[in-house]
Amino acid sequence: EPEVTQTPSHQVTQMGQEVILRCVPISNHLYFYWYRQILGQKVEFLVSFYNNEISEKSEIFDDQFSVERPDGSNFTLKIRSTKLEDSAMYFCASSGQFNYGYTFGSGTRLTVV
Amino acid sequence: SQQGEEDPQALSIQEGENATMNCSYKTSINNLQWYRQNSGRGLVHLILIRSNEREKHSGRLRVTLDTSKKSSSLLITASRAADTASYFCATDAGGAQKLVFGQGTRLTINP
Repeated sequence: EPEVTQTPSHQVTQMGQEVILRCVPISNHLYFYWYRQILGQKVEFLVSFYNNEISEKSEIFDDQFSVERPDGSNFTLKIRSTKLEDSAMYFCASSGQFNYGYTFGSGTRLTVV
Repeated sequence: SQQGEEDPQALSIQEGENATMNCSYKTSINNLQWYRQNSGRGLVHLILIRSNEREKHSGRLRVTLDTSKKSSSLLITASRAADTASYFCATDAGGAQKLVFGQGTRLTINP
């Protein structure tokens, strides 16, 4: 069964450093998403991406965050200057149809120290 | 107010018993989905029910949807130890291109 692949599975970074989280969505999917989950809390929407542009973003997704689909297979989330409160599990997801049939990756656990 | 609130927050039952989790939401929806998350792991899609459906089955899972009450329930029958996980409902919040998750129900199946 097709999978969404995320790398790395765990990343530790110093506060203020830039991080790039990588995702390979399912190849024929058209919609891409990032969500995050702070430990013990609910899963929160960050951003959705369709047709090479952001289609929706949450208030969490401020100027520190950016997404890119650089080569038609990867989908990345960049955090420019990490803060302690960015520590969370970040999930990538893709879907073939609008709001239907999401597949989530296993997540990247980001720890900012 | 929060979209997609589950109750109970935690549920502990004996293996073989049925587990029922409930979800309430605030806005209109096109569909509602249930996900499972094992501790520290990713989200696994369990079942999707559309707003014009009232009940849906998948194996040992039964989902109901009452759009008049803006609520859904997930029933797991004949529970197994492997069903121990957190369960989340998620809605599309009226057609926005995102899912809004609830806080989840932590289900523990005791052998």
